[in-house]
Amino acid sequence: LAKTTQPISMDSYEGQEVNITCSHNNIATNDYITWYQQFPSQGPRFIIQGYKTKVTNEVASLFIPADRKSSTLSLPRVSLSDTAVYYCLVGPNFGNEKLTFGTGTRLTIIP
Amino acid sequence: GAVVSQHPSWVICKSGTSVKIECRSLDFQATTMFWYRQFPKQSLMLMATSNEGSKATYEQGVEKDKFLINHASLTLSTLTVTSAHPEDSSFYICSATVKEAGPKKTQYFGPGTRLLVL
Repeated sequence: LAKTTQPISMDSYEGQEVNITCSHNNIATNDYITWYQQFPSQGPRFIIQGYKTKVTNEVASLFIPADRKSSTLSLPRVSLSDTAVYYCLVGPNFGNEKLTFGTGTRLTIIP
Repeated sequence: GAVVSQHPSWVICKSGTSVKIECRSLDFQATTMFWYRQFPKQSLMLMATSNEGSKATYEQGVEKDKFLINHASLTLSTLTVTSAHPEDSSFYICSATVKEAGPKKTQYFGPGTRLLVL
């Protein structure tokens, strides 16, 4: 599975847009990029998944450049409740592939 | 999204006892479930892959005789921590894979089970 690198931590003020970038230089052709959010003492929650270009849902946007060696999770107008750890994972989706979690990014929203 | 439940949500036990944790897919069938362990301030570590009707596949360093996994049906997998010791205290999380439209599959996670061994 492709290894991912993301910032250990980030701080942002309420109401701002937050962008978390993940590097995955060794991404394979059949790999998808998936982001999860985890609050303390809870299981990870699926946020968004994409393969290329841009994906948007009601929670976030995912930007993937043409070379797919990185991706950026964009959270619009964050609130205090967005304080969590965000994990970027890369892997194929054609089977029941196991996921390898990296360190994640601890996002702290400041009032 | 698909819902995965775990039971119990937390458990305290004495050292030497065994603890069973259940993982259920509530509104879908999961041929494969995964079990993770997470220590405080750390990331999730995959323990094993649980396949319905067959033996689980354990990650390197995980003792299969200590962490017994049974995937008896398409909606239930259980993890039994046998002869638990304080160092087994951790947050145990399961996940199940759902086939989305096209080739995509997404893993959905349970809420986790906090185990404290005294």
